Amino acid sequence: DTEVTQTPKHLVMGMTNKKSLKCEQHMGHRAMYWYKQKAKKPPELMFVYSYEKLSINESVPSRFSPECPNSSLLNLHLHALQPEDSALYLCASSKGLGGANVLTFGAGSRLTVL
Amino acid sequence: SQQGEEDPQALSIQEGENATMNCSYKTSINNLQWYRQNSGRGLVHLILIRSNEREKHSGRLRVTLDTSKKSSSLLITASRAADTASYFCATDGGYSTLTFGKGTMLLVSP
Repeated sequence: DTEVTQTPKHLVMGMTNKKSLKCEQHMGHRAMYWYKQKAKKPPELMFVYSYEKLSINESVPSRFSPECPNSSLLNLHLHALQPEDSALYLCASSKGLGGANVLTFGAGSRLTVL
Repeated sequence: SQQGEEDPQALSIQEGENATMNCSYKTSINNLQWYRQNSGRGLVHLILIRSNEREKHSGRLRVTLDTSKKSSSLLITASRAADTASYFCATDGGYSTLTFGKGTMLLVSP
């Protein structure tokens, strides 16, 4: 299996809702990432997990809460989001951190906040 | 910031022509990677070039790296309509947290 699977593909939520984005990989990768991408912009790093521990948090607002239950799963919990949080959320994984690591991306979850 | 700057922002060519995209960055790197993104989809890794390499080939792709000028180029030869996508360079400063450039949107017309 050489894929990163993200669910749901599309999500519409109100500003008071709580929802979660899910990401799964079975490549044995030990680093997992969340990126946010606005239209016609490059992906921006949000969080990095290495060996199931949060390694990097790029000063992301607390309304985004990541979770890594095990080495194959990565969640992004969403609460009290703002319309400007509407974007494509991309999950990625790599063998580890350090060295010439290549990222494998999922297809993304397109989030619309009303 | 290490963020790469791609040039041009958009490129429109005919099938069979070559497409060249450039990337400039600001700080030292361990490697530079190129990714492709079809509209609204995830990114796909194309090629990685290490800081001690000057040129690399993969199929119809040719990447060059000039660390003295802090720049890289991606050449796609004999382009096809299926090459239509956005192309991003990404710099790795050593901790594998890639920083992506602004991207080049390539349109290949039949």
